Amino acid sequence: SQTIHQWPATLVQPVGSPLSLECTVEGTSNPNLYWYRQAAGRGLQLLFYSVGIGQISSEVPQNLSASRPQDRQFILSSKKLLLSDSGFYLCAWSEAADGYTFGSGTRLTVV
Amino acid sequence: QKEVEQNSGPLSVPEGAIASLNCTYSDRGSQSFFWYRQYSGKSPELIMFIYSNGDKEDGRFTAQLNKASQYVSLLIRDSQPSDSATYLCAVDHTGGFKTIFGAGTRLFVKA
Repeated sequence: SQTIHQWPATLVQPVGSPLSLECTVEGTSNPNLYWYRQAAGRGLQLLFYSVGIGQISSEVPQNLSASRPQDRQFILSSKKLLLSDSGFYLCAWSEAADGYTFGSGTRLTVV
Repeated sequence: QKEVEQNSGPLSVPEGAIASLNCTYSDRGSQSFFWYRQYSGKSPELIMFIYSNGDKEDGRFTAQLNKASQYVSLLIRDSQPSDSATYLCAVDHTGGFKTIFGAGTRLFVKA
């Protein structure tokens, strides 16, 4: 069966520090991968999606970037965090248009 | 700007009652419609998807779609306290690449 791993679960980082969040998927090949962010009391905002190795589509201009170095690995990064980057970051995967499976999420607080 | 609108709630229903959650969307080209359940502090979990007008039933859950009115609903029969969560409506018109989420409706089921 397919599983998705996301870490860390919680992160507190100072403003201006770098960020690296990692997500891996097991039990499937060539999945579509996504990074979403959920601010407190808000809906999920699509940040990036990828349909294959090295292919990244960005949805929101910001100081975040994403990479897909391997088929089942998706990384979210930032060189310098802003206070506004705080939120609940969710990695997700899908194989078709029948919904997403989300990872357990990373709660990021920028202080 | 494509939007998905939900009443934020909270919607409070007694145990055993029917909970009715509603969602409207702005893009007439939308093809796929999803309901996710999100417990506090956890990641969303897919509970239903529907593509065609009408009703789709799965256990205690029924999704209803009316494309002419751009309206999606979720009925939960015999509501249980364990159903207390935020329910996210999601809509897609891109074959799964850019699903747009509503902000969610908080449901409380009183024992």
